[in-house]
Amino acid sequence: AQKVTQAQTEISVVEKEDVTLDCVYETRDTTYYLFWYKQPPSGELVFLIRRNSFDEQNEISGRYSWNFQKSTSSFNFTITASQVVDSAVYFCALSGMEYGNKLVFGAGTILRVKS
Amino acid sequence: EAQVTQNPRYLITVTGKKLTVTCSQNMNHEYMSWYRQDPGLGLRQIYYSMNVEVTDKGDVPEGYKVSRKEKRNFPLILESPSPNQTSLYFCASSQGFFTGELFFGEGSRLTVL
Repeated sequence: AQKVTQAQTEISVVEKEDVTLDCVYETRDTTYYLFWYKQPPSGELVFLIRRNSFDEQNEISGRYSWNFQKSTSSFNFTITASQVVDSAVYFCALSGMEYGNKLVFGAGTILRVKS
Repeated sequence: EAQVTQNPRYLITVTGKKLTVTCSQNMNHEYMSWYRQDPGLGLRQIYYSMNVEVTDKGDVPEGYKVSRKEKRNFPLILESPSPNQTSLYFCASSQGFFTGELFFGEGSRLTVL
């Protein structure tokens, strides 16, 4: 079965701290895609990144970076020098042919950044 | 502006009173989907559509219906709402099926009394 686990329900940090959000996935597919979405307090869902299973290169975008490790089935997300505006719920998601055309989401991690 | 538009954004209704949540996208996307978001459960897929007149069940389809008569519209119908359908609903669309970035609507918060 296809599954995404975000074990951290809630994380609180102080501004400028680095924080890593964990994501562990399960799938029998060899071809699959991993995603991260951000949901700020306003409620909309904002796409952050998509990674396919054949590309294990880590990615950096400004203060955001992603570490994809197939060996541990993990796709972790790190925010460097966190800011109050980073406060949001972050969702990791997985899609692959095993589960049809469905995007399976983790339960989400609430990140609170305090000033 | 590329967007997915849902209406209504907020609705309070009573058990058994049929309602429809509309969803429209202006990006000519083939794939559309409905999700519900509940605390601690993340987003769960209700129904999806790969193209006009093609729809399929997601993980939690019970109590919901959908239709895809036009490419841009994908309404979610609750024939006889019940309190366990109180939730935050999101419509989404994408160009690709399981590979594409999903564009989400702003969400519709539904309360069934």
